[in-house]
Amino acid sequence: GAGVSQSPSNKVTEKGKDVELRCDPISGHTALYWYRQRLGQGLEFLIYFQGNSAPDKSGLPSDRFSAERTGESVSTLTIQRTQQEDSAVYLCASSLYRDRATGELFFGEGSRLTVL
Amino acid sequence: AQSVTQLDSQVPVFEEAPVELRCNYSSSVSVYLFWYVQYPNQGLQLLLKYLSGSTLVESINGFEAEFNKSQTSFHLRKPSVHISDTAEYFCAVSDQGGGGSNYKLTFGKGTLLTVNP
Repeated sequence: GAGVSQSPSNKVTEKGKDVELRCDPISGHTALYWYRQRLGQGLEFLIYFQGNSAPDKSGLPSDRFSAERTGESVSTLTIQRTQQEDSAVYLCASSLYRDRATGELFFGEGSRLTVL
Repeated sequence: AQSVTQLDSQVPVFEEAPVELRCNYSSSVSVYLFWYVQYPNQGLQLLLKYLSGSTLVESINGFEAEFNKSQTSFHLRKPSVHISDTAEYFCAVSDQGGGGSNYKLTFGKGTLLTVNP
């Protein structure tokens, strides 16, 4: 498709399990972002990838969170030993490098994670 | 550190009425300002932005926002809303300089605009 694709759209898991969320950015977009939105909160920055540069992981809330991206393609966000406070909608966005500071981000519909 | 406050979590209005969605921000540095919109079952999309120049910015579907530096506000307005404007609206800021990290957006909690017939 032409937009940012995320999967799964919904994930229910038990506390302590690992989960993996996937993001397929728009073709040609070298910049990729992960944000998290917990209930009643604004979106929180998690991580930023730009091409083959070292990612900015400054927003990851704990070492249980990790993300990977191979080149300029798909990214996966992994949460290990999930906790109830990890329940949120995880949003992925992509953009052209030149648009990274001007807000021209294209967001996916998000992956809703519920940890029981 | 930056923060964004959207004072209203929900705004119900009737069709063809005017609407204002409020956004205030706090930052120690100069910022860029954005409004994003999320229609039902869709991803967020950029509605309008202020980077520099004229403090009044407009979108293609009739929304406008005015950057007020003294009041640190960037309220979103539309003189006459349509049913199709029903959506969640998010205000966001980023650091103009950012030390290279001006791609980080700080978002408000969102305002759900519901337009009723």
